[in-house]
Amino acid sequence: EADIYQTPRYLVIGTGKKITLECSQTMGHDKMYWYQQDPGMELHLIHYSYGVNSTEKGDLSSESTVSRIRTEHFPLTLESARPSHTSQYLCASSSRAGGPNEQFFGPGTRLTVL
Amino acid sequence: QKEVEQNSGPLSVPEGAIASLNCTYSDRGSQSFFWYRQYSGKSPELIMFIYSNGDKEDGRFTAQLNKASQYVSLLIRDSQPSDSATYLCAVSDTGRRALTFGSGTRLQVQP
Repeated sequence: EADIYQTPRYLVIGTGKKITLECSQTMGHDKMYWYQQDPGMELHLIHYSYGVNSTEKGDLSSESTVSRIRTEHFPLTLESARPSHTSQYLCASSSRAGGPNEQFFGPGTRLTVL
Repeated sequence: QKEVEQNSGPLSVPEGAIASLNCTYSDRGSQSFFWYRQYSGKSPELIMFIYSNGDKEDGRFTAQLNKASQYVSLLIRDSQPSDSATYLCAVSDTGRRALTFGSGTRLQVQP
């Protein structure tokens, strides 16, 4: 079944640790995105990718980095986690091939940095 | 001014009533419009999209678009308690590579 996956679903980690949030999709989509969302607040785009070896920063300044080495995989890395990084991180994907660009979201990773 | 504006709510309607959710956008170049539903603690789920002026119906949901007024709405007929969630409006245009989301309207359907 075509889907979008994120791991881990929940992560509690100490300040200064390096973390990688995984996102994979089996939908055959070429565009992928990372959003950050605090509880009850709006989604903010932090990174996006149009395809392999293509990554761009989004509207919200973020200390995270991303890579896109394979079409289906779009991991997000924080080199040194801080309490201000505590948030929910949502991965999404969409298809470039015509159409209105609807995005489909993964289940999210809830990150807590102590 | 925010690019996509929604009333935060909560919008409270009785079970079986029609819920009307509204959204305005500032960029006249916007071409596609999306409605997502987000339950508390969950990720957004696409309900429907619209890109032509007028109405588009899908089951109990109807999206309405008026590009001249820069206004898009979502009607939910026969509202159920399970419809209680935050509804996000999102907008896309050819110049952007991603959707711009509103902050959402919280809907409460009272049994």
